[in-house]
Amino acid sequence: AAGVIQSPRHLIKEKRETATLKCYPIPRHDTVYWYQQGPGQDPQFLISFYEKMQSDKGSIPDRFSAQQFSDYHSELNMSSLELGDSALYFCASSLRGETTGELFFGEGSRLTVL
Amino acid sequence: AQTVTQSQPEMSVQEAETVTLSCTYDTSESDYYLFWYKQPPSRQMILVIRQEAYKQQNATENRFSVNFQKAAKSFSLKISDSQLGDAAMYFCAYRSSGAGSYQLTFGKGTKLSVIP
Repeated sequence: AAGVIQSPRHLIKEKRETATLKCYPIPRHDTVYWYQQGPGQDPQFLISFYEKMQSDKGSIPDRFSAQQFSDYHSELNMSSLELGDSALYFCASSLRGETTGELFFGEGSRLTVL
Repeated sequence: AQTVTQSQPEMSVQEAETVTLSCTYDTSESDYYLFWYKQPPSRQMILVIRQEAYKQQNATENRFSVNFQKAAKSFSLKISDSQLGDAAMYFCAYRSSGAGSYQLTFGKGTKLSVIP
């Protein structure tokens, strides 16, 4: 079965550069979530989208922005990168109203800021 | 806002033995979902087991079972016949139910080591 696809899997950037992460949800899923997991930390919710509209917002820095496109894929744009942005970024998807309540996670994109 | 607490940063278990990981949560909602996720060194988030709050019966998935105590807001994970492959970080997570697109709230995690 198709899973959540994230790209790139690994990304190395310099401070003050810009990075873009992409997420392709499971087909038919209408909701996308972004999480940030720092080293030794639990995943922190950043932002979510339902039917291409922002659904909820967590601890996302103002330097970050995201959107969901007409094909339901989502992109997380990160500007003016800082050392502290080095983390594993997870995307997850779900189908609103589906009764199991499960979010399906991608394998993550590891961002290293030098 | 909901909070999830895992009071055991690290646990260890002998291979083939049983271990229980603790999780408590705080919510004012009556219906919700609880999850245990496993994160091995590969860092992928793998769903281990799921519990719907309206169900009194504890969920079971092969060697994994939960003890769900709704009144006490407790959701512990029991791993029986522990295997080397069970070594990982385990996260307890909460999600509101209903029609909205609710995110998961994670605990801080418990690092489980399995001793051969």
